[in-house]
Amino acid sequence: EVQLVESGGGLVQPGRSLKLSCAASGFTFSDYNMAWVRQAPKKGLEWVATISYDVSSTYYRDSVKGRFTISRDNAKSTLYLQMDSLRSEDTATYYCARHPGSRFDSWGQGVMVTVSS
Amino acid sequence: DIVLTQSPATLSVTPGESVSLSCRASQGITTSIHWYQQKSNESPRLLIKFASQSISGIPSRFSGSGSGTDFTLSINRVESEDFSVYYCQQSYSLPLTFGSGTKLEIK
Repeated sequence: EVQLVESGGGLVQPGRSLKLSCAASGFTFSDYNMAWVRQAPKKGLEWVATISYDVSSTYYRDSVKGRFTISRDNAKSTLYLQMDSLRSEDTATYYCARHPGSRFDSWGQGVMVTVSS
Repeated sequence: DIVLTQSPATLSVTPGESVSLSCRASQGITTSIHWYQQKSNESPRLLIKFASQSISGIPSRFSGSGSGTDFTLSINRVESEDFSVYYCQQSYSLPLTFGSGTKLEIK
């Protein structure tokens, strides 16, 4: 069974940093592209970033480019999202998702990030 | 960016009815559309990939159709567990985008 477990969320002040982690199990992590998708409170889904299975490529939405960094450790089956210069509009639940063929076929339970002073 | 417009925003139905949910893309995207279900306080779940391809473990009452700019998610005989929000997502080009969702509620 595919399992994705996010951690690292919390309350952070504007301008500060936070790093999310996603521990994967139940599949060969190094075979799959992975992604982060977020959902602001009471809002819809928004793709944030993608990393290829072999770490050769990364992609970001414009609003996080230069502030967020997606990475992975295939030896540890773990996905990361380093979030710097956080803004109030980054407040959301962040989901880790398995990402074959540019769709999201398995999702974690999500982790809440609140950016507020 | 490709904009996906879902309609209606809310659909009120009685269990046992069959429904169709619409997703329209702002430009042609072939069949690069995927559908998700999100129940209250849960993570999304993939229902249909590439417009009409079924997903293992998803009930057969869910089906998808369409190509180009117009897509439909159909639910044959809605069951009580189906009342949730449905999103479409395009994988034709970056940035990947989602529709704003259709909420399926009990009449």
